[in-house]
Amino acid sequence: AQSVTQLDSQVPVFEEAPVELRCNYSSSVSVYLFWYVQYPNQGLQLLLKYLSGSTLVESINGFEAEFNKSQTSFHLRKPSVHISDTAEYFCAVSDQWGNDYKLSFGAGTTVTVRA
Amino acid sequence: DVKVTQSSRYLVKRTGEKVFLECVQDMDHENMFWYRQDPGLGLRLIYFSYDVKMKEKGDIPEGYSVSREKKERFSLILESASTNQTSMYLCASSSPDAGEGTEAFFGQGTRLTVV
Repeated sequence: AQSVTQLDSQVPVFEEAPVELRCNYSSSVSVYLFWYVQYPNQGLQLLLKYLSGSTLVESINGFEAEFNKSQTSFHLRKPSVHISDTAEYFCAVSDQWGNDYKLSFGAGTTVTVRA
Repeated sequence: DVKVTQSSRYLVKRTGEKVFLECVQDMDHENMFWYRQDPGLGLRLIYFSYDVKMKEKGDIPEGYSVSREKKERFSLILESASTNQTSMYLCASSSPDAGEGTEAFFGQGTRLTVV
């Protein structure tokens, strides 16, 4: 089974500053990678995903993540955060089970944006 | 939009009670999952199901069972609730078609407190 390590449990950041959330996963032949976001008192929502092709993927709200196969990493970045980005962020990797897939999640990174 | 609905947002039960957590999805997804979410531990997979009447143990199945009598409904059962099962429970569904990136769609979560 895959394992996912999120290197930072808490990331405080000032509004309009950049942020990077680090994620490493255990190696596999092929892999699908995801970042999910959980706003306070809500379920998880997909932020972005890497399936194949370009190693840089972007979300509609300004986040981007880069798949780095040699470093088995999928770090999430945003150049300028807003108060509304305060949330918990989870990195996830797909794990093939027979012909199906299940997700393994990291422990999560809590981002707190301050004015 | 895909919708995954969990029957309760908040639940308080007594130690030793049998507890049912219900989840319904409306996207005709074959795969359904139950996770529990605890601070610092991220999401841990309890059970998953890739078809009606099929179930597979996840990473932490002890103390839980599941039922999938219909494709759209996946129930998590705590046979005899204990205080260490106090947690947030998240249901998710996905399609096995890898072309869709195996994205999982989540419900809003049920926060269960066992007293």
